Amino acid sequence: QTVVTQEPSFSVSPGETVTLTCGLSSGSVSSSYQPTWFQQTPGQPPRTLIYNTDIRSSGVPDRFSGSILGNKAALTITGARADDESDYYCALYMGGGISVFGGGTKLTVL
Amino acid sequence: QVQLVESGGGVVQPGRSLRLACTSSGSTLSGYGMHWVRQAPGKGLEWVVVISYDGNYKYYADSVQGRFTISRDDSKNTVFLEMNSLRAEDTAKYYCARVSGGSGSYFPLLYWGRGTLVTVSS
Repeated sequence: QTVVTQEPSFSVSPGETVTLTCGLSSGSVSSSYQPTWFQQTPGQPPRTLIYNTDIRSSGVPDRFSGSILGNKAALTITGARADDESDYYCALYMGGGISVFGGGTKLTVL
Repeated sequence: QVQLVESGGGVVQPGRSLRLACTSSGSTLSGYGMHWVRQAPGKGLEWVVVISYDGNYKYYADSVQGRFTISRDDSKNTVFLEMNSLRAEDTAKYYCARVSGGSGSYFPLLYWGRGTLVTVSS
């Protein structure tokens, strides 16, 4: 059973840069997994931020960027703002129609 | 503008069935793979199922295999999720999502609906 791993929580000060990661319980994440990042605030549906590793969805500020760092996918928020405080999920495409979500990272900006 | 709207949620007893629908206003679902993703109260996102753009291929999470069935009716611009033998652990908000690319794409999920809540309780 493949598990997609994310930091359960992260804290950042306003204006700082934070990098969240998305890994695999076994193996390395590469662009072939088409890493996708979602932002979700309480009571709202998920919003797709980044897909195919590093492509920003329409309307997403360029403060958000995606990459592969080492053996993980990464979401970097440059100059964190108070309204970036959200849950962030990554998802990977495992092939054969199967997608897997990570457990999510609760980002606190304070 | 792709706007997805889910419907059909509600309270249902364990062992019973429920049928969810996902429709799009302003754009066609025809030609795109479609997913259902759920989120139990206070929990993370869980992928449930995907249907191919032509309805010929369907892939399910182990947790719902054999109990849930996805289908699509492009003439109605709607995707359905038939949920049978419901359990308490199926309680969640169910979101439909459309993939970004057409034809054979199953990923990534780009557009999301606002979800419909399913509560399985006696």
